Amino acid sequence: DAGVTQSPTHLIKTRGQQVTLRCSPKSGHDTVSWYQQALGQGPQFIFQYYEEEERQRGNFPDRFSGHQYPNYSSELNVNALLLGDSALYLCASSLLSLGTDYGYTFGSGTRLTVV
Amino acid sequence: DQQVKQNSPSLSVQEGRISILNCDYTNSMFDYFLWYKKYPAEGPTFLISISSIKDKNEDGRFTVFLNKSAKHLSLHIVPSQPGDSAVYFCAASEGSNYKLTFGKGTLLTVNP
Repeated sequence: DAGVTQSPTHLIKTRGQQVTLRCSPKSGHDTVSWYQQALGQGPQFIFQYYEEEERQRGNFPDRFSGHQYPNYSSELNVNALLLGDSALYLCASSLLSLGTDYGYTFGSGTRLTVV
Repeated sequence: DQQVKQNSPSLSVQEGRISILNCDYTNSMFDYFLWYKKYPAEGPTFLISISSIKDKNEDGRFTVFLNKSAKHLSLHIVPSQPGDSAVYFCAASEGSNYKLTFGKGTLLTVNP
């Protein structure tokens, strides 16, 4: 049973460029959340998608946008990259009907470096 | 403004002994609390959760205690094993399926 799959695993981009990160949720899950983890920090919530709609959003600028497809996979797009966007980007999936008690399943992340 | 705080950046224990990881929170609206374990180059792995209607939840070697009046929770690992060495994150949410707010993590090292 495949867990959460994220691609690519590593990425180097130049300031001002745009990037797209991809996530396939765990089989049977319908909800996808994205988190940003800077070095030495805990993951910070970016947004959550359910039924192809953004359900919740954290304190991130509009440069961060996302999408969820009918097969529940998701993309995170970041425009006009800044050096401060360098971080590990984590995707987490869950089944909305189960609730928080069962936790969210995280992928291994995409390491984004902005130079 | 850090709403979830893990004040110990690191903890070292001997194999077979108890590991106690602590977490404090400031937001009284949090009603779900979770612990995650993270190995290098892997995503966080869900360990155990507790809702605010309980004060204790057990799963094998892992027990989480919640003290709502003190806004404090702790994770007990008994007995500790070298494979438990990892970064442990405390997380909280306001309601089911709501966003998780994480602490900065505690690096646990279990020495053989």
